Amino acid sequence: EVQLVESGGGLVQPGGSLRLSCAASGFTFSSYEMNWVRQAPGKGLEWVSYISSSGSTIYYADSVKGRFTISRDNAKNSLYLQMNSLRAEDTAVYYCARVSFMWRGDRYYYFDYWGQGTLVTVSS
Amino acid sequence: DIQLTQSPSFLSASVGDRVTITCRASQGISSYLAWYQQKPGKAPKLLIYAASTLQSGVPSRFSGSGSGTEFTLTISSLQPEDFATYYCQQLNSYVFTFGPGTKVDIK
Repeated sequence: EVQLVESGGGLVQPGGSLRLSCAASGFTFSSYEMNWVRQAPGKGLEWVSYISSSGSTIYYADSVKGRFTISRDNAKNSLYLQMNSLRAEDTAVYYCARVSFMWRGDRYYYFDYWGQGTLVTVSS
Repeated sequence: DIQLTQSPSFLSASVGDRVTITCRASQGISSYLAWYQQKPGKAPKLLIYAASTLQSGVPSRFSGSGSGTEFTLTISSLQPEDFATYYCQQLNSYVFTFGPGTKVDIK
């Protein structure tokens, strides 16, 4: 059974740092691209960051670029999000999500498995 | 970046109703679109990908259509467990934008 379990959330002051982890099991983690998605309280979903299966290709949303760093350790079946210079607007539930794709002449991606999320609260 | 809009933002419907949600992209995205369902306090659940392909295990009352800039999610006969918020997502570029969501509530 595919499982994604996030951890590392909590209360942090503005300007502070936090490192989120996502432990993967039930599939060959090193073969899959991964993402972080967040959801502020009462708001919609916001894509945060993408990392390729090898970790060589990374993308960020403009809202976190320069402050957040995505990484992975395929030997430990783990995905990470290092969050620095945190702001009140970063307060959200953070989900890790696995990317799969269908081949139909091109890669048609989709996020097929999600973790349960971890809450990050940025407040003084 | 590609922006997505959804209409309506809120929908009140009854069990058995046919429900249609529209998602529009700011530029053409071919069929690189997915739909998710989210219930309060839960992670999103994949319903449809590649605009019209039903995810394994998802009931056949859900269907998706469209390409380019306009897409629809249809629930043919709304069931009690379908009351939730629905999001579209574009996967045409590596900025995987979500739409703002459509909340489907009980009439």
